Amino acid sequence: NAGVMQNPRHLVRRRGQEARLRCSPMKGHSHVYWYRQLPEEGLKFMVYLQKENIIDESGMPKERFSAEFPKEGPSILRIQQVVRGDSAAYFCASSPRGGRSTDTQYFGPGTRLTVL
Amino acid sequence: GENVEQHPSTLSVQEGDSAVIKCTYSDSASNYFPWYKQELGKGPQLIIDIRSNVGEKKDQRIAVTLNKTAKHFSLHITETQPEDSAVYFCAASGGYSSASKIIFGSGTRLSIRP
Repeated sequence: NAGVMQNPRHLVRRRGQEARLRCSPMKGHSHVYWYRQLPEEGLKFMVYLQKENIIDESGMPKERFSAEFPKEGPSILRIQQVVRGDSAAYFCASSPRGGRSTDTQYFGPGTRLTVL
Repeated sequence: GENVEQHPSTLSVQEGDSAVIKCTYSDSASNYFPWYKQELGKGPQLIIDIRSNVGEKKDQRIAVTLNKTAKHFSLHITETQPEDSAVYFCAASGGYSSASKIIFGSGTRLSIRP
C-alpha cells in the first residue's frame, strides 16, 4: 500500500516563475492537507481539501497561492510569481475521512522549493 | 487560535537514557494529540498519538501522557538508541479554531550520544 506521494521532490524556480506541486493521497483517502515548513521551524497549515472542494484555506496566503483537488488526478498546490520567501518545504498529508479532528494524517516526503 | 508550545528546542541524552519532551496547548477543545518524528530530508512520520479520553498511552519504548486540566502533554522515550536521533514535533487538533487541521509545536532536535 503506497503512502502519500509528492512530486517533484525538489523544485528550483527563478523569481517570477510559477511552481506547481503535486500530491497523490494514500489509496482510499479522499482528504488532503497542505503544510509549509520553513527551515528550522515547525509545519504550518495552509489548506484542507476534499475532492473538488476547498474546506479550509485559512492558512494560505490570499495572493499568488491556490490549491485544487480534482475529481481525477492529484492535488495541486500552485504558487504564481514566486519570490525568495516562498523557499520552503511543502508537505502534503492525507486522511481517510475528514471533518473529524481525531483522524490521523499521514504525510508525504515533501517538495523542497528553492527560489533563486 | 490554537497555539502549541514545545520544550526543549534541543535535547542531548546519553544512549540508553530517557528523553522527555513537553508541550502545552491553548485551546481547551483540542481532543487529538499526535507526535511526529522527522528525519533529515524526510516528511514527518507519526510515531504515537493520544486522544482526549485517554490519559496515557504506551507503545514499546515510547509513551505519551496527557493532562487535559493543565493542557499539558508529554512524550517519553526510554532506552534511547542512535536511531532515535531526529526532530520531534508535538501537535494538537480538534480545537474550536483548528478542527481538522493540525497545529504543530516548533520541534525538538533530539541527539543521542553514543
